[in-house]
Amino acid sequence: AQSVTQPDIHITVSEGASLELRCNYSYGATPYLFWYVQSPGQGLQLLLKYFSGDTLVQGIKGFEAEFKRSQSSFNLRKPSVHWSDAAEYFCAVGPPNNNDMRFGAGTRLTVKP
Amino acid sequence: GAGVSQTPSNKVTEKGKYVELRCDPISGHTALYWYRQSLGQGPEFLIYFQGTGAADDSGLPNDRFFAVRPEGSVSTLKIQRTERGDSAVYLCASSLGSGPYNEQFFGPGTRLTVL
Repeated sequence: AQSVTQPDIHITVSEGASLELRCNYSYGATPYLFWYVQSPGQGLQLLLKYFSGDTLVQGIKGFEAEFKRSQSSFNLRKPSVHWSDAAEYFCAVGPPNNNDMRFGAGTRLTVKP
Repeated sequence: GAGVSQTPSNKVTEKGKYVELRCDPISGHTALYWYRQSLGQGPEFLIYFQGTGAADDSGLPNDRFFAVRPEGSVSTLKIQRTERGDSAVYLCASSLGSGPYNEQFFGPGTRLTVL
């Protein structure tokens, strides 16, 4: 069965610092992987997704993620965090039909001025 | 804006009551999804519609939960005999079609509190 683990419940970084949010998945076949961001009062927004091909995926808002099959990981990165990036971030894995996406528990990002 | 909308934004009810939560998808989107997000957790898949039919309802926790989409657009999630454990944010999403290449667009959710 597919599952996602986000080991960090809460991360605090200073504005302008780099960011890496961890995601580990368990899936029997080639996974389809996603990162979403959820701001207070807002719906989940897709940041990026990986299906196949280049293992380094670029997304919106300056985010990127790297798929590492050997480590079953899909970590999200940003070189320089902005105060507006403070939000909850969710990693998700899905089967090809995308009906049954499994989300991690989320990582809450706090940005210090 | 033409995003996914959900009503009400908040619903407080008493244990044992019946509730209905509404989702208006993006116009033209044939696929519609319901998720439940409990406090401190990620969204949990409940049910998926392709058109009017429920193509996958494997995530519904029990027979107190039911969802309909009679005209292939608006969907209603219905919960009978609510329990305190049903308290959560219920999220709706829609996509142009099914499959991972079709991005799911999420609504802001309905926060359900069962007293």
